[in-house]
Amino acid sequence: EAQVTQNPRYLITVTGKKLTVTCSQNMNHEYMSWYRQDPGLGLRQIYYSMNVEVTDKGDVPEGYKVSRKEKRNFPLILESPSPNQTSLYFCASSFPGSRPDTQYFGPGTRLTVL
Amino acid sequence: GIQVEQSPPDLILQEGANSTLRCNFSDSVNNLQWFHQNPWGQLINLFYIPSGTKQNGRLSATTVATERYSLLYISSSQTTDSGVYFCAGVDNYGQNFVFGPGTRLSVLP
Repeated sequence: EAQVTQNPRYLITVTGKKLTVTCSQNMNHEYMSWYRQDPGLGLRQIYYSMNVEVTDKGDVPEGYKVSRKEKRNFPLILESPSPNQTSLYFCASSFPGSRPDTQYFGPGTRLTVL
Repeated sequence: GIQVEQSPPDLILQEGANSTLRCNFSDSVNNLQWFHQNPWGQLINLFYIPSGTKQNGRLSATTVATERYSLLYISSSQTTDSGVYFCAGVDNYGQNFVFGPGTRLSVLP
């Protein structure tokens, strides 16, 4: 089954404790992206990747890191989480090609930073 | 970067009614898409529609790229249509994907 998976789905952590949210897709998509969704602000792009070892900042990259060592995986890293990073996070990937064509979204990760 | 507006922000319908959702972009946009987020938070791609008109069952979408807007039509609405509808696209300067603020639709039985 074609899908984008994220783990964990729910996470409660404390300020400053490094965490990683994993994202994996099995559709051989080249384009992958992370978004955060906050009430009243919609979805905002954090980082995106056009291909392996190619990443770029979206609208709200501060406080986040990403890596793309393999085509299928695109982890989101919070080196020192803060309460303002409490949010719902989505990973997405697109059909083969370097442009963000029809996007498929993961189920979301709800993160709470205390 | 581009700004995206959606209207109306909220919409309440009786089951069976029709509706039109609108999306305006401040600048030319590529790869325009419509998404539905259901009440459980799942995001589903409805249409990839950079221009022209597409139909899928009770839903159809039209994009007029030269005038920087897109419309989503929902006919004979059902309670399962409830949720938030987003439009999104890529600006001409890169691959940054920008979402609108969404239209929250509630369909009452």
